[in-house]
Amino acid sequence: EVQLVQSGGEVKKPGESLKISCKGSGYSFTSYWIAWVRQMPGKGLEWMGIIDPNDSDTRYSPSFQGHVTISVDRSINTAYLQWNTLKASDSAMYFCARRGEGLVSTTYYYFTDVWGQGTTVTVSS
Amino acid sequence: DIPMTQSPSSLSASVGDRVTITCRAGQDIRTYLNWYQQKPGRAPKLLIYAASTLQSGVPSRFTGSGSGTDFTLTISSLQPEDFATYYCQQSYFTLMYTFGQGTKLEIK
Repeated sequence: EVQLVQSGGEVKKPGESLKISCKGSGYSFTSYWIAWVRQMPGKGLEWMGIIDPNDSDTRYSPSFQGHVTISVDRSINTAYLQWNTLKASDSAMYFCARRGEGLVSTTYYYFTDVWGQGTTVTVSS
Repeated sequence: DIPMTQSPSSLSASVGDRVTITCRAGQDIRTYLNWYQQKPGRAPKLLIYAASTLQSGVPSRFTGSGSGTDFTLTISSLQPEDFATYYCQQSYFTLMYTFGQGTKLEIK
């Protein structure tokens, strides 16, 4: 079964650091980019960034550049999302997702077809 | 990035109704448009990609259409399990796939 399994929920204090994980299985992990998506309580989905597990090429959304770090450890099929200094406004659900592709006529289209179950991050003093 | 605007933000309907959700892109994205369904506390589920291609396993009552800047998701006959929030997403901008703000479909 193709799946992404994320690490458990976290409760942290402002100013602390955090690294959450997303482990892929059932497919060739290095063949698909992994994205991270934020969902604040009661709000919509926000694209944070994406990493190529093959060479760690990473692209960040301007809204998240400099605030988080996305990384990967190919040896254990795991992607990470990291904060050095958490703020209360980082409280949210975070999803990882695999970028899949589909061929329609002669064009490749991209989407996120496999998602992790989500990791809840709560930052509160 | 490319702003994506959905309408309406919320919608009330009954089982058996036909409903349509609209998504407008801030620039021409050809047919690089995906639709997702999300239920409370769950991860989003891919329904449609390339504006109109149904993802494997998704019921045929879901259809997508459009190109350029205007897109629609139609559910032909609402089932109880379809009450959820729906998001569009553009995949035209390389590796920066922004979402619409979502449309919450509720039971009337």
